[in-house]
Amino acid sequence: AQSVTQLGSHVSVSEGALVLLRCNYSSSVPPYLFWYVQYPNQGLQLLLKYTTGATLVKGINGFEAEFKKSETSFHLTKPSAHMSDAAEYFCAVIKSNQGGKLIFGQGTELSVKP
Amino acid sequence: DTGVSQNPRHKITKRGQNVTFRCDPISEHNRLYWYRQTLGQGPEFLTYFQNEAQLEKSRLLSDRFSAERPKGSFSTLEIQRTEQGDSAMYLCASSPWDRGMYEQYFGPGTRLTVT
Repeated sequence: AQSVTQLGSHVSVSEGALVLLRCNYSSSVPPYLFWYVQYPNQGLQLLLKYTTGATLVKGINGFEAEFKKSETSFHLTKPSAHMSDAAEYFCAVIKSNQGGKLIFGQGTELSVKP
Repeated sequence: DTGVSQNPRHKITKRGQNVTFRCDPISEHNRLYWYRQTLGQGPEFLTYFQNEAQLEKSRLLSDRFSAERPKGSFSTLEIQRTEQGDSAMYLCASSPWDRGMYEQYFGPGTRLTVT
């Protein structure tokens, strides 16, 4: 079975501090990995994706993530948090040999303190 | 490219009533997905279409749920005889899978409240 685990349902950082949101996956085949952000009462917005190629991927709003196969991880980082980054973040995986349905983690709520 | 749209944005219905939601995907995206999200959880897969063909349905999709995508364009999700447990956000997403691009673009969702 394939799953996604996000460590920490709530993360709080100060404005300007490093943001680190953790995601680990389990998959028996090479995965496609994604991070999405969700603001209250809205849909999900794609932040970044890893499919093949470079393992360090850059996304929108200054976020980036690194695919580490040996650690089965895909952690999301941003060097300096902004108040507008406060939202729910979801890590998701697609199994490369299946129909493309996303399997999501339970989400991490990011709070940014002034 | 106007993004994925969903209507209505909010629906309040009484238990036992039928409801239908509509999703308009990004034009020329051949895949369309439906997910359900309850409070504090990540979205859960319900079903997906490749063009007009429904290729997979989750066990979450009981017999009361039906989805269509006539002509491979917009899609509808109908829930018959709604129950309070159906209260959730229903999300639609589309993907240009046939172009080797696997990311999904989500609509704003339809929030269903069953009273």
